Amino acid sequence: QQKVQQSPESLTVSEGAMASLNCTFSDGTSNNFRWYRQHSAKGLEVLVSIFSDGEKEEGRFTAHLNRANLHVSLHIREPQPSDSAVYLCAVSPRNNNNAPRFGAGTKLSVKP
Amino acid sequence: EAAVTQSPRSKVAVTGGKVTLSCHQTNNHDYMYWYRQDTGHGLRLIHYSYVADSTEKGDIPDGYKASRPSQENFSLILELASLSQTAVYFCASSDPNQNTLYFGAGTRLSVL
Repeated sequence: QQKVQQSPESLTVSEGAMASLNCTFSDGTSNNFRWYRQHSAKGLEVLVSIFSDGEKEEGRFTAHLNRANLHVSLHIREPQPSDSAVYLCAVSPRNNNNAPRFGAGTKLSVKP
Repeated sequence: EAAVTQSPRSKVAVTGGKVTLSCHQTNNHDYMYWYRQDTGHGLRLIHYSYVADSTEKGDIPDGYKASRPSQENFSLILELASLSQTAVYFCASSDPNQNTLYFGAGTRLSVL
């Protein structure tokens, strides 16, 4: 069964400094990776999707995927206090008839 | 506007009682999912469905049943609610090709 782990559990950065979040997964055949953001136990919004090794940028959010190392990361450029939230990594298998699995999340706090 | 709507938004149930959580989507998506969220556990998959009248077990199906009577509707049923089922429950839908999840606002369930 797919295992998804995120680190760190919590992260505090100053406004304008880069924030980096990590996610490791166990199934090397996975080919579908997304980062979601959740503000205060509300619904989740997708930030960036990535399907092949390398990087994918969506505004201030950049995902890096290295499937050989079973690792996907999210980098937030110039974070703002409004970016304070829980960030969740979701990994989907190659077979789309199987559901995405999530990590436990990283709680990001951005200090003014 | 396409959306995923969950009802009720919050519920207090008694131990041993029956609870039904409902989800309705207007995204015209084939896939629907139920996840629960507990502090420190991220989102854990309970049941999912990729076609009407068929459901699949996720990672933590014990104590839960699911029903998908139509493409738009997906219910989660707790026949005998227990204290350990106190959590926030999220429903989501997705297109099988893109696999991005679109979430409802969540249902906060307290079992007393």
